[in-house]
Amino acid sequence: GESVGLHLPTLSVQEGDNSIINCAYSNSASDYFIWYKQESGKGPQFIIDIRSNMDKRQGQRVTVLLNKTVKHLSLQIAATQPGDSAVYFCAENNAGNMLTFGGGTRLMVKP
Amino acid sequence: NAGVMQNPRHLVRRRGQEARLRCSPMKGHSHVYWYRQLPEEGLKFMVYLQKENIIDESGMPKERFSAEFPKEGPSILRIQQVVRGDSAAYFCASSPLIGGADEQFFGPGTRLTVL
Repeated sequence: GESVGLHLPTLSVQEGDNSIINCAYSNSASDYFIWYKQESGKGPQFIIDIRSNMDKRQGQRVTVLLNKTVKHLSLQIAATQPGDSAVYFCAENNAGNMLTFGGGTRLMVKP
Repeated sequence: NAGVMQNPRHLVRRRGQEARLRCSPMKGHSHVYWYRQLPEEGLKFMVYLQKENIIDESGMPKERFSAEFPKEGPSILRIQQVVRGDSAAYFCASSPLIGGADEQFFGPGTRLTVL
């Protein structure tokens, strides 16, 4: 079946640098995408979402970009902080309400 | 406003026993979703429920697994005759709106270990 996948399993950045986490999706019918942050031993925490009628959305220190032409999603984190260290998942909404998650990217922030 | 509550947080069972996982959605949310997560993997959808109804159970194993969301009380994910392969983190999420794409809020999860 169609699925969401990530390009990089681990990303290591210096504190203060910007981070970019990428995600490819294959279901062209998906119309809603979410980025989640998951810290060790905790549940996924909502970061930012975007609907398919948009190509960019900004939050506090985070930006999500959606390229429907190549079915690509990215999460940009500005001025990465140690507290940003976690696993990041992209998820797409299809079939109404079910979320399909990618495999996750571990972000490690070096002080 | 309390978030999604799950209990127990950790559950240890021996092979062949039953596991019951509970989920209380956020106040005002009538939609509950269960996901399973193996170590170092993403979450996999299991089942979507509304009050007293199973809407989509396409991700549930055909045997031993069942879920309910009664009119009163929490949603329950039940695993009968557990096997070692059932060891995982089970997450519950809830959302408020009827139909359509919407943000799902996740609970802290129940970590099931089968000995």
